[in-house]
Amino acid sequence: AQSVTQLDSQVPVFEEAPVELRCNYSSSVSVYLFWYVQYPNQGLQLLLKYLSGSTLVKGINGFEAEFNKSQTSFHLRKPSVHISDTAEYFCAVSHTGTASKLTFGTGTRLQVTL
Amino acid sequence: GAGVSQSPSNKVTEKGKDVELRCDPISGHTALYWYRQSLGQGLEFLIYFQGNSAPDKSGLPSDRFSAERTGGSVSTLTIQRTQQEDSAVYLCASSSAGTGAYEQYFGPGTRLTVT
Repeated sequence: AQSVTQLDSQVPVFEEAPVELRCNYSSSVSVYLFWYVQYPNQGLQLLLKYLSGSTLVKGINGFEAEFNKSQTSFHLRKPSVHISDTAEYFCAVSHTGTASKLTFGTGTRLQVTL
Repeated sequence: GAGVSQSPSNKVTEKGKDVELRCDPISGHTALYWYRQSLGQGLEFLIYFQGNSAPDKSGLPSDRFSAERTGGSVSTLTIQRTQQEDSAVYLCASSSAGTGAYEQYFGPGTRLTVT
């Protein structure tokens, strides 16, 4: 079994400030890691993924995340946020190997204000 | 190209009625997933189809839920005798085979309200 914990349900931040959204996972097997974003009344969009290789992965919209195996974490960061980044962010894991189902965290609401 | 589409976008039904939700995956994608997003339970996996293999039904919450995928393309999720706790947004996703198999593309969802 695997699980994902997103420690912060809401993160308020001012525009142009840096942000980090935290994600920790638990699994008895190797996993792939993902961050998805959900804008209001829309479906989920993939921000970035870690499958293997470099532990620092870069995604769309200036986001990046770092895989830390020893701490079982995959925190999402952006050096300078914009109003348009206001959305719900979900961390997810899946088993390695062939395509498989995603297990999601409970989400973090990023609220960017002026 | 066209993304994953779902219909209807909104569905209101009375308790005890049956509902069918439809998903059209991206053309050529062999894998199709259904998830449910609700306030109390977050995002939950329901069922997964991969090619001609038997579906993974491990996430279906009760025997009132079923899904089929015809011709390896369109999928229908059916909920029989709906209950108020079935109210949620039902999301469909698809992915390709091979190296792209890990990236799931999501549809906009169907918001189901059971009154």
